Amino acid sequence: DGGITQSPKYLFRKEGQNVTLSCEQNLNHDAMYWYRQDPGQGLRLIYYSQIVNDFQKGDIAEGYSVSREKKESFPLTVTSAQKNPTAFYLCASSIDHRGRVVAQHFGDGTRLSIL
Amino acid sequence: DAKTTQPTSMDCAEGRAANLPCNHSTISGNEYVYWYRQIHSQGPQYIIHGLKNNETNEMASLIITEDRKSSTLILPHATLRDTAVYYCIVRDGSSNTGKLIFGQGTTLQVKP
Repeated sequence: DGGITQSPKYLFRKEGQNVTLSCEQNLNHDAMYWYRQDPGQGLRLIYYSQIVNDFQKGDIAEGYSVSREKKESFPLTVTSAQKNPTAFYLCASSIDHRGRVVAQHFGDGTRLSIL
Repeated sequence: DAKTTQPTSMDCAEGRAANLPCNHSTISGNEYVYWYRQIHSQGPQYIIHGLKNNETNEMASLIITEDRKSSTLILPHATLRDTAVYYCIVRDGSSNTGKLIFGQGTTLQVKP
């Protein structure tokens, strides 16, 4: 079955460490997204990518970095510069959304906690 | 993108229809209404979207008022598995970013 796989499901980080969250999709989607969700809150966009080797900052990109070297993969690195990284991270993908009405398909998330 | 307003929480009896309202009084002509839901500790799931006509799929129906300032998501026969947070989102169909603005949504509790 096609879908989005995020790993790991739970991740623990020591202060000062960078960590990378994995997101892989086999839906042949062009666009991919990373969102952050804090308890009791909606989702906020961190980064998005419309095509391989291209990505744009979302609303809360500070302290995060991404790469898009392959169509199916969009890893997110949470750097030590992110002062409050504890959150639920969600990856999504869609067909090319530019000028079109599309649905985003989400993975089941990675819950990051600081030790 | 227009702002949406939803009730914080709702209850529904199992087997009955669940009607979830959403106000979007500042919606513009090319903005679509999307509905997603999020079951606890999972990623959001797309349900349905519409522009001005009522829409129906295997999951739900979407009723949009004639002036487009509000809409209602209808789950015709709610089950316990429909317990989730439901998000109403308005987004420009011609937007060059894929950003979806998720508010706090409506927590629907389906009770036996």
